[in-house]
Amino acid sequence: ETGVTQTPRHLVMGMTNKKSLKCEQHLGHNAMYWYKQSAKKPLELMFVYSLEERVENNSVPSRFSPECPNSSHLFLHLHTLQPEDSALYLCASRDPGTQGPLHFGNGTRLTVT
Amino acid sequence: GQQLNQSPQSMFIQEGEDVSMNCTSSSIFNTWLWYKQDPGEGPVLLIALYKAGELTSNGRLTAQFGITRKDSFLNISASIPSDVGIYFCAGRSSDYKLSFGAGTTVTVRA
Repeated sequence: ETGVTQTPRHLVMGMTNKKSLKCEQHLGHNAMYWYKQSAKKPLELMFVYSLEERVENNSVPSRFSPECPNSSHLFLHLHTLQPEDSALYLCASRDPGTQGPLHFGNGTRLTVT
Repeated sequence: GQQLNQSPQSMFIQEGEDVSMNCTSSSIFNTWLWYKQDPGEGPVLLIALYKAGELTSNGRLTAQFGITRKDSFLNISASIPSDVGIYFCAGRSSDYKLSFGAGTTVTVRA
């Protein structure tokens, strides 16, 4: 079992729906990340939370809304998405302020119809 | 993040072959990471490099942190079918920002 768990694994939603992606990490890390992965492109950093405070927001449209209620849980709330938002959304965690690597979850495959 | 150039973009390998892929950057990095992603899964860390010139192995995998701190390579020796997947490099700069390459897709030739 990976130390970072994401649910659901797959999600199909219409453009008018509201849904949420969930991430939970059991590694004792204090920083959590949301990345977007599209085919043949580098991972795109969306949001970073460190000690439950959002420290980075990479010009992500407001239709994506993150929430970090504690250092073990991270959510990505989705509303009025566009078809081009279809992608694999990856959650990751690490110890901030160190050179430690990111540990990724298995992602949520999102399809917007 | 910085732009990383990862090559090749894809490769077909014969079982038993040794293969190599690399990443280059115009900027200096303090850390190089190599990940592998299997279909339907998230990236899994293979090797982490923290010092220029460092050469580290993990089983049949060997990675090196380039002496200029602007490049890294990953070698896979005696490839086997389960080596298929997408391999990503990532470099971390002094401000702790992590940049990823676009990946090398490895397919084993039957």
